[in-house]
Amino acid sequence: SQQGEEDPQALSIQEGENATMNCSYKTSINNLQWYRQNSGRGLVHLILIRSNEREKHSGRLRVTLDTSKKSSSLLITASRAADTASYFCATERFGNEKLTFGTGTRLTIIP
Amino acid sequence: GAVVSQHPSWVICKSGTSVKIECRSLDFQATTMFWYRQFPKQSLMLMATSNEGSKATYEQGVEKDKFLINHASLTLSTLTVTSAHPEDSSFYICSARPVMWQGDTEAFFGQGTRLTVV
Repeated sequence: SQQGEEDPQALSIQEGENATMNCSYKTSINNLQWYRQNSGRGLVHLILIRSNEREKHSGRLRVTLDTSKKSSSLLITASRAADTASYFCATERFGNEKLTFGTGTRLTIIP
Repeated sequence: GAVVSQHPSWVICKSGTSVKIECRSLDFQATTMFWYRQFPKQSLMLMATSNEGSKATYEQGVEKDKFLINHASLTLSTLTVTSAHPEDSSFYICSARPVMWQGDTEAFFGQGTRLTVV
């Protein structure tokens, strides 16, 4: 399977703490994207990082990419109860519109 | 941001019947749409790539005669689950990217359809 792996599978933290999720993938990529999914809903795009970028920020989100290790991390700072959701990384290969999703991390923020 | 509308959001059907799920891009055109299947607490598995005006491209292991895909216009793709069985019960999600896709852009997802076959 070409699917990426994410860890941890599940993460529970107190509100206000930071949450870090990791993603590993198997092939060379054009970019890596992070998505969020609330239970029983569609996916919402959070952030895209290109293969020639190492770090990117968007609000309380910080994404890193290490292409030599084929890995990425998503950091959510100052977590809120509303951040409770599943988070997926997805990779896009050069010249291919298809996205390959990781296994996902279920994040629970405890108020 | 761009909007993809998926309908219905949930459906219950009897075994042996067929169910059609629609995926519409509301404010952009998409030559390509994607259909995913998601089991509880699992990731999204790509089923097929829907190509406007031509046949869909199915992933390995996906039965094309069971999951019929039609992409008749630049804003609409449909997935028909034929002769549904309980094992087809799942969450189906579509996504689309604007027609001028040149890489390095996000995908837009529908809200998903919860199919339950009884």
